[in-house]
Amino acid sequence: EPEVTQTPSHQVTQMGQEVILRCVPISNHLYFYWYRQILGQKVEFLVSFYNNEISEKSEIFDDQFSVERPDGSNFTLKIRSTKLEDSAMYFCASRGTETYNEQFFGPGTRLTVL
Amino acid sequence: RKEVEQDPGPFNVPEGATVAFNCTYSNSASQSFFWYRQDCRKEPKLLMSVYSSGNEDGRFTAQLNRASQYISLLIRDSKLSDSATYLCVGHTGNQFYFGTGTSLTVIP
Repeated sequence: EPEVTQTPSHQVTQMGQEVILRCVPISNHLYFYWYRQILGQKVEFLVSFYNNEISEKSEIFDDQFSVERPDGSNFTLKIRSTKLEDSAMYFCASRGTETYNEQFFGPGTRLTVL
Repeated sequence: RKEVEQDPGPFNVPEGATVAFNCTYSNSASQSFFWYRQDCRKEPKLLMSVYSSGNEDGRFTAQLNRASQYISLLIRDSKLSDSATYLCVGHTGNQFYFGTGTSLTVIP
C-alpha cells in the first residue's frame, strides 16, 4: 500500500538555525499539506500546496516558513530561524482526487529546538 | 476562534460498551467532515468520512447535522484496540481544521 514518508524522524537543532523537513507524498497525489502538533495539543494546519504553489496557509505559517516541491517527488518545509516554540511534531499529508478528500499522513518529524 | 470543538474526555469505558463522541463546528461553509484516530505519538489515520445521510462502517456510525452544525461518532461493542484519541476534522477550501481530540480508553 502506498504511503507518505518523512525524514528525518527526529531533528534536534539550536535556536536560530534553519531546518528542512522532508516528505515524499504518495506518487499520484496532487494536494500536499504540512501540519504541526505541539506535544499535548491539537493538530494545527500550516499550509496546503497544489499545482506548485501555496493554495492556503494559516496564521502560524509566517515568513519564517516556506515550502517547496523541488523535484516532483519531495515536498519540503523549511523553517529559516527556529524558535523554541517551533518544537513540535510536523506531519506531512497528501491527497489525490480520486478518493474524496481523504488525506494520508506521514509518520511525522519530531523537531526539538534547544 | 475554534473552528471545531470536541469534548476532550477522557472517556473510560468497559469492553463491549457503546460510546458516543460529539463535535460542533463554527464555519457553516465547511464542506466535509471526517473522524480520524490518533494513537499516542503517531500520525492521524482516517477512520471514516461523515455524510449528511449518516454512514456506518462495522461498529462505527457517523452522523452530520448541518442545521445544528454537529457531528457525532458512535462506537458499538468497544474493543481494547479502540483506545486512542478521536479527532473531528472539518474541511473548507483546501484547509482542514482539527478538533482537540477526544481520548478514549477501553478497559478490560
